[in-house]
Amino acid sequence: EAGVTQFPSHSVIEKGQTVTLRCDPISGHDNLYWYRRVMGKEIKFLLHFVKESKQDESGMPNNRFLAERTGGTYSTLKVQPAELEDSGVYFCASRPASGASRDTQYFGPGTRLTVL
Amino acid sequence: AQSVTQPDIHITVSEGASLELRCNYSYGATPYLFWYVQSPGQGLQLLLKYFSGDTLVQGIKGFEAEFKRSQSSFNLRKPSVHWSDAAEYFCAVGGVHKLSFGAGTTVTVRA
Repeated sequence: EAGVTQFPSHSVIEKGQTVTLRCDPISGHDNLYWYRRVMGKEIKFLLHFVKESKQDESGMPNNRFLAERTGGTYSTLKVQPAELEDSGVYFCASRPASGASRDTQYFGPGTRLTVL
Repeated sequence: AQSVTQPDIHITVSEGASLELRCNYSYGATPYLFWYVQSPGQGLQLLLKYFSGDTLVQGIKGFEAEFKRSQSSFNLRKPSVHWSDAAEYFCAVGGVHKLSFGAGTTVTVRA
């Protein structure tokens, strides 16, 4: 079974540009989460999808961030326009709705975003 | 509000020695507790988790953790460290959904 995949692994952009991060969850996982780790600090929750619906977006920092999950499969996180403080590692996680692992989030490798 | 404290930012341990990583949490209800590890260039891998039942849980790679409700702790241990255990370790607490992570503890293993 393939794990959570994220693309790209690294992205370097100029301040003011737009970047789109992609996450492909484990097949069949209805729940998808985005987290961010900035400057070696804690990994912080951004938002949670259940299928294509946003269940909780309380961690989204501001309206420059837009997350989508059209069709309930993969998800994208767009930052527009990017600011210096957006630099960090963006993690995606997925979780099944049922079964023995329904209480566990499985994480991807992360996308390291650098805004210059 | 839920939160996690990992008091040790960095720990250096000799190969073959024992390792203990500390984790203290704050959570309003019965917590779900996790330890994840991130090796260089890798993603977050689940080591072990505690939901209920036996307070000593076994995980992968020879790790174990003990839940102590009275101390709000969930410390991670390994009796004998291998060089491949060099990584960053994260403790996390939450319900089924939103997880709160500690700042992480980096473990260096010396020969």
